[in-house]
Amino acid sequence: AQSVTQPDIHITVSEGASLELRCNYSYGATPYLFWYVQSPGQGLQLLLKYFSGDTLVQGIKGFEAEFKRSQSSFNLRKPSVHWSDAAEYFCAVAYFGNEKLTFGTGTRLTIIP
Amino acid sequence: EPEVTQTPSHQVTQMGQEVILRCVPISNHLYFYWYRQILGQKVEFLVSFYNNEISEKSEIFDDQFSVERPDGSNFTLKIRSTKLEDSAMYFCASSPGQGANYGYTFGSGTRLTVV
Repeated sequence: AQSVTQPDIHITVSEGASLELRCNYSYGATPYLFWYVQSPGQGLQLLLKYFSGDTLVQGIKGFEAEFKRSQSSFNLRKPSVHWSDAAEYFCAVAYFGNEKLTFGTGTRLTIIP
Repeated sequence: EPEVTQTPSHQVTQMGQEVILRCVPISNHLYFYWYRQILGQKVEFLVSFYNNEISEKSEIFDDQFSVERPDGSNFTLKIRSTKLEDSAMYFCASSPGQGANYGYTFGSGTRLTVV
């Protein structure tokens, strides 16, 4: 069964510092990978997605993620975080022929001055 | 940019009561989904719906749950007799095609509180 692991429950980063949120997936086939952000009381906003091709994908709000098949990872990065980036971040996976999204448990990002 | 609209944003109901959560998917989308997120837990798939039929459902989606597209625009989730453990944020999503490569647009959710 498909699964997603986000090993970091909570991360605190200083404003202006770089950020990397980890995501690992498990399954044999080529995955479709997503990162969503959820601000308090809000819905799920798509940051970026990977289906095929270039393994480094650019998203909105200055985020990027890199697909590494050898490590089964799809880590999210941002070179310089802003206070408005404080939110919950979810990695999700789906596979060809199966439209169901499987989410990770999320990483809560706190930004400090 | 087109949005998926969910109403109400917050609903409080008594245990044993029926609730209907409403969603208006993006107008040219054909595939519709419900997910839920119990407080502090991961977002979980409930059901997918296409061509007026359920195409897939999870083990969570038991006989207490039903979905319907009563007209050309709304997509509803009904919980027949709510339990305390149904308290969660419920997200509706829609997609223009079948398969993850088409992407999904999520609504802002309905927070259901069962008391």
